[in-house]
Amino acid sequence: RKEVEQDPGPFNVPEGATVAFNCTYSNSASQSFFWYRQDCRKEPKLLMSVYSSGNEDGRFTAQLNRASQYISLLIRDSKLSDSATYLCVVLGGGNKLTFGTGTQLKVEL
Amino acid sequence: EPEVTQTPSHQVTQMGQEVILRCVPISNHLYFYWYRQILGQKVEFLVSFYNNEISEKSEIFDDQFSVERPDGSNFTLKIRSTKLEDSAMYFCASSAGGGETQYFGPGTRLLVL
Repeated sequence: RKEVEQDPGPFNVPEGATVAFNCTYSNSASQSFFWYRQDCRKEPKLLMSVYSSGNEDGRFTAQLNRASQYISLLIRDSKLSDSATYLCVVLGGGNKLTFGTGTQLKVEL
Repeated sequence: EPEVTQTPSHQVTQMGQEVILRCVPISNHLYFYWYRQILGQKVEFLVSFYNNEISEKSEIFDDQFSVERPDGSNFTLKIRSTKLEDSAMYFCASSAGGGETQYFGPGTRLLVL
């Protein structure tokens, strides 16, 4: 099983749609979880941290299920500017971030 | 807003040559990292560095790689004898604390011919 697994997409959605991304991780000892966003040929940028209680930041909601080792990201009212690759990221020992391959989102008019 | 900077943005080198990639982490950060991303693949951890020592390194970070903090602001990655497969985007990152958010620089695109 891959350390961090994501559906690569692409997800093509119309503007205003709600879209959900899922991620699973293999190491049950993982401590912290994040969603990063990466635009083409640019650096990963933190979108949000993910907590067991769930957290929301504007149109973005992240959820963590430790028992299932599952992380999700929901984007509501998607904008053209949301088009990017969304990276599921897990923090392990040595402060090492392990990245998924990313899910590509394309928001269309 | 403080940010991580990296130089050069692009580097082309011949196989077998040494390259040094430079990074200036965010000024009050204490933890530093290098990651790489081969074109079309995922971001991969190379090394973490704290208190002038390597904390953790991956299998990729073999004897050809080294890191250094030569002064109070720079953090460098040296590849001693580059191989074709070292061609990738190299990202530097820094964080204020051990489990805290890692902020990435814009990357150096390395092409080994």
